[in-house]
Amino acid sequence: DAKTTQPPSMDCAEGRAANLPCNHSTISGNEYVYWYRQIHSQGPQYIIHGLKNNETNEMASLIITEDRKSSTLILPHATLRDTAVYYCIVRAYMYSGGGADGLTFGKGTHLIIQP
Amino acid sequence: NAGVTQTPKFQVLKTGQSMTLQCAQDMNHEYMSWYRQDPGMGLRLIHYSVGAGITDQGEVPNGYNVSRSTTEDFPLRLLSAAPSQTSVYFCASAETRVFNEKLFFGSGTQLSVL
Repeated sequence: DAKTTQPPSMDCAEGRAANLPCNHSTISGNEYVYWYRQIHSQGPQYIIHGLKNNETNEMASLIITEDRKSSTLILPHATLRDTAVYYCIVRAYMYSGGGADGLTFGKGTHLIIQP
Repeated sequence: NAGVTQTPKFQVLKTGQSMTLQCAQDMNHEYMSWYRQDPGMGLRLIHYSVGAGITDQGEVPNGYNVSRSTTEDFPLRLLSAAPSQTSVYFCASAETRVFNEKLFFGSGTQLSVL
């Protein structure tokens, strides 16, 4: 799986858009970009994923650059409840299995929403 | 739907004791897994199962056993607890192995081994 690089922490004002960057310069053609978040003391929560095209759901938007070497997760109107650690994960959709069949969660970005 | 349910939420053990962390899901998911999370680190996969009767090792399996006798349940057993197993444990499930990237997580079990 390709490695990802995220800033360790970011601040955002409540009500503004939070833009979380992720670099994945070694991403392969069959690898998707996934985003999860973990609110303090809770289990991680799936947010969104994409391959090439930009994606949007009820929680967020995912913008992937044309060369696919980086992406941005956008929370359009951040609230205090969006304070969490956000994980960017790159993973092939069809996994061949064998010993490490799981997602690789790095240290993520600690997003703090300021009132 | 309750989703993924983990019990207990907190547990303190003495070195050498054994215990089982319970995980149950009511979504009829084929895929289930156990992760541990240590302070300042990401989650690491311990064991996983792609269906009843099938289990396999993840990244950090030593010291842990699992079994999957039903689709709903995936317990994690510590046979002889060690201080290095102090951690927060998360159980996660997914509809199938192919779609295992969209994981549903439980709320975790905080385990301290003294």
